[in-house]
Amino acid sequence: DVVMTQSPISLPVTLGQPVSISCRSSQSLVHSSGNTYLNWFQQRPGQSPRRLIYKVSYWDSGVPDRFSGSGSGSDFTLKISRVEAEDVGVYYCMQSTHWPYSFGQGTKLEIK
Amino acid sequence: EVQLVESGGGLVQPGGSLRISCAAAGFTFSSYWMTWVRQAPGKGLEWVANIKQDGSDKVYVDSVKGRFTVSRDNAKNSLFLQMNSLRVEDTAVYYCAAYSSSAPSYWGQGTLVTVSS
Repeated sequence: DVVMTQSPISLPVTLGQPVSISCRSSQSLVHSSGNTYLNWFQQRPGQSPRRLIYKVSYWDSGVPDRFSGSGSGSDFTLKISRVEAEDVGVYYCMQSTHWPYSFGQGTKLEIK
Repeated sequence: EVQLVESGGGLVQPGGSLRISCAAAGFTFSSYWMTWVRQAPGKGLEWVANIKQDGSDKVYVDSVKGRFTVSRDNAKNSLFLQMNSLRVEDTAVYYCAAYSSSAPSYWGQGTLVTVSS
């Protein structure tokens, strides 16, 4: 099974500052189709998860462009260019290349 | 507007059974892979099961294989999860979600399943 490892686990940040969240997989996430199914989700306090990014770097509808995804193979990053108060929550990476699908353990973003 | 509404959660004793449902609206339900994802209290997300558009293909995480069964009724735009031989560690909020671009895109609000004596 593919293990997804995120870092850091906790991310205190000042409003307006940039942040990066790392996600590493225990094996390559390149599918036989050539696509890489690495996704990022945001879960605000008390809410359901919301997908932000799919296939490494594609934005979902309505996602602010201060969010961006990058990476390849087994090493991926979610970046927020300027953190806003509404970005508080837990961020998860998820791979949907290999069965069983798996999530990272989450990164909790909070405002200092 | 896409809507996914889970129901059927509640308190059940260890070893018991429960069937939770997810009602879909606002999209062509029969065209989407569907999934169940769970979240234990204060913990992260765990993928549980997937079901193909026509129900012909189902995949489960190892921890629920042989105990949980995912099914769907496309005529009623509904997704189900039959949970048998429930364990304390199955306690979680269960979310249904619809796949788009090979990952869960639309999510419901979740239903809480508590397994306790």
